[in-house]
Amino acid sequence: EAGVAQSPRYKIIEKRQSVAFWCNPISGHATLYWYQQILGQGPKLLIQFQNNGVVDDSQLPKDRFSAERLKGVDSTLKIQPAKLEDSAVYLCASSPGLNSGNTIYFGEGSWLTVV
Amino acid sequence: TQLLEQSPQFLSIQEGENLTVYCNSSSVFSSLQWYRQEPGEGPVLLVTVVTGGEVKKLKRLTFQFGDARKDSSLHITAAQPGDTGLYLCAGASGTYKYIFGTGTRLKVLA
Repeated sequence: EAGVAQSPRYKIIEKRQSVAFWCNPISGHATLYWYQQILGQGPKLLIQFQNNGVVDDSQLPKDRFSAERLKGVDSTLKIQPAKLEDSAVYLCASSPGLNSGNTIYFGEGSWLTVV
Repeated sequence: TQLLEQSPQFLSIQEGENLTVYCNSSSVFSSLQWYRQEPGEGPVLLVTVVTGGEVKKLKRLTFQFGDARKDSSLHITAAQPGDTGLYLCAGASGTYKYIFGTGTRLKVLA
């Protein structure tokens, strides 16, 4: 079974530039998450989708971050304009559905460095 | 805001020693999960606990969910270098949003 795919794996950009990350979840998984993980810390949930609808985006900095999951499958996370403090690993994850105890499967992450 | 505090933050031990990692919150969770993350990889699920007081064992790892479902512990017996990594707990709230803990970085020296 293919896992969660993310691209690009690594990206270096200058502050004020824009960047986009792509995620393809495990086939059939209705729930998709984007997490931000700063080095040495636990992941912080940015946005959670159920199919193509947003379940939670309370911690998404909406002035610069946006995410979409138009057809309920792939998702894109965009940052524009980037700040130095956005340097982090952006983890995409998926699970079968909104059921407590469901396993969340993570991708390898997209590493962003803002200089 | 729900917070999950893990302790210790860092732990460096010799191979063969035992250790316990704690995950504490003032909030009640419907379930709690433990993950291990290795450098350059995403977190990988180790276990899910659902019932207050529940104990689960995975080889040398023992996981316990507190009676009140606000805290959990992970105990590793006879640690090995392969156990090295970042250990994360994650609690599921009523909206099925998983909140991750602050993480415990473990290094086991050969």
